[in-house]
Amino acid sequence: KAGVTQTPRYLIKTRGQQVTLSCSPISGHRSVSWYQQTPGQGLQFLFEYFSETQRNKGNFPGRFSGRQFSNSRSEMNVSTLELGDSALYLCASSLSPGQQAFFGQGTRLTVV
Amino acid sequence: GIQVEQSPPDLILQEGANSTLRCNFSDSVNNLQWFHQNPWGQLINLFYIPSGTKQNGRLSATTVATERYSLLYISSSQTTDSGVYFCAVENNAGNMLTFGGGTRLMVKP
Repeated sequence: KAGVTQTPRYLIKTRGQQVTLSCSPISGHRSVSWYQQTPGQGLQFLFEYFSETQRNKGNFPGRFSGRQFSNSRSEMNVSTLELGDSALYLCASSLSPGQQAFFGQGTRLTVV
Repeated sequence: GIQVEQSPPDLILQEGANSTLRCNFSDSVNNLQWFHQNPWGQLINLFYIPSGTKQNGRLSATTVATERYSLLYISSSQTTDSGVYFCAVENNAGNMLTFGGGTRLMVKP
């Protein structure tokens, strides 16, 4: 069974640009969550989706948004990029909310 | 929100040694999970352990939910065990993981 797949793996963007990251969960998993990891703040929760509905959102500005499609794949978008958005973005999938979470390899975003 | 504290923050071991990592949390939780972050950044799920004890090879974990802590035991450590270990708890609403600051483990040959 394939694991959680995140694309792209690496990304370099310029301040002010926008970016879209993709996450394909494990087959059969319907819950997808996103996390941001930085050296200063550690791992922080961004959003959680279940059955195409956002169930919860972390304490991030409105420039961070996401969605989930009917096949459970999820995307997150960051608009008007800032230098501080440079981070490792991790996606996790689980069968349903509250179940064991399995993470992808992450997308490393660098904003210059 | 829930606070999660891990100790020690750093740990250096000689190959073959045993170790215990601790995770304290500030409130009742729906579940607790332990992860190992490999050098490439991926978080590998080690245990889903809201309470009780589980074992997987050289690793075992115990969560005492009533006292709000969990322990991860690593026996006969190997160099491949190096990396950062995180515990994460999910609140009773079951909709987000709150991570501790991690324990950075280095196992020397």
